[in-house]
Amino acid sequence: GQQLNQSPQSMFIQEGEDVSMNCTSSSIFNTWLWYKQDPGEGPVLLIALYKAGELTSNGRLTAQFGITRKDSFLNISASIPSDVGIYFCAGANDYKLSFGAGTTVTVRA
Amino acid sequence: EAQVTQNPRYLITVTGKKLTVTCSQNMNHEYMSWYRQDPGLGLRQIYYSMNVEVTDKGDVPEGYKVSRKEKRNFPLILESPSPNQTSLYFCASSFTMHTEAFFGQGTRLTVV
Repeated sequence: GQQLNQSPQSMFIQEGEDVSMNCTSSSIFNTWLWYKQDPGEGPVLLIALYKAGELTSNGRLTAQFGITRKDSFLNISASIPSDVGIYFCAGANDYKLSFGAGTTVTVRA
Repeated sequence: EAQVTQNPRYLITVTGKKLTVTCSQNMNHEYMSWYRQDPGLGLRQIYYSMNVEVTDKGDVPEGYKVSRKEKRNFPLILESPSPNQTSLYFCASSFTMHTEAFFGQGTRLTVV
């Protein structure tokens, strides 16, 4: 299957910090999607990107579709406690939707 | 309310005993898929369906079957479950694979 390398695997945040995570792949994708999963729930879409170079914001979230179509990043600005959870990138081409392994965001004690 | 409904939410079964996890969506979506989620591996696609009677293998199809006889339903069948199929399973639906996927609540399956 197509491999998406998502990093970091986990991170600790302090309220107010900006955080970044990214996904890279050896495959080209037509669409990049970012999801968040809260404990005990299914993933929920945060941002969808459909065009190479596209930069899209959703509140405190900003994501970009890489020019090469092989990568994408997600930034969260001024993090708050409810930002904790698992963030997944997903890439879609003509036939499949593939997910990264996830970035687990935890609040730093 | 737009939703994807999976049943059951939790299931403990024994090796070799056939089981079916049901998935139903009420959004008239064409694309449906099944994923398994394991620690450190994220979501891996098992099977997907582009429309009624059109299904194809995802990345980890071994040991699973699916059917899409109606647009709204996409059951996942384990003919002879084994312990390595112990996992958290999610069904999802969307208009196409490029648009937002709505996920069910998940099914926690344990095979002993």
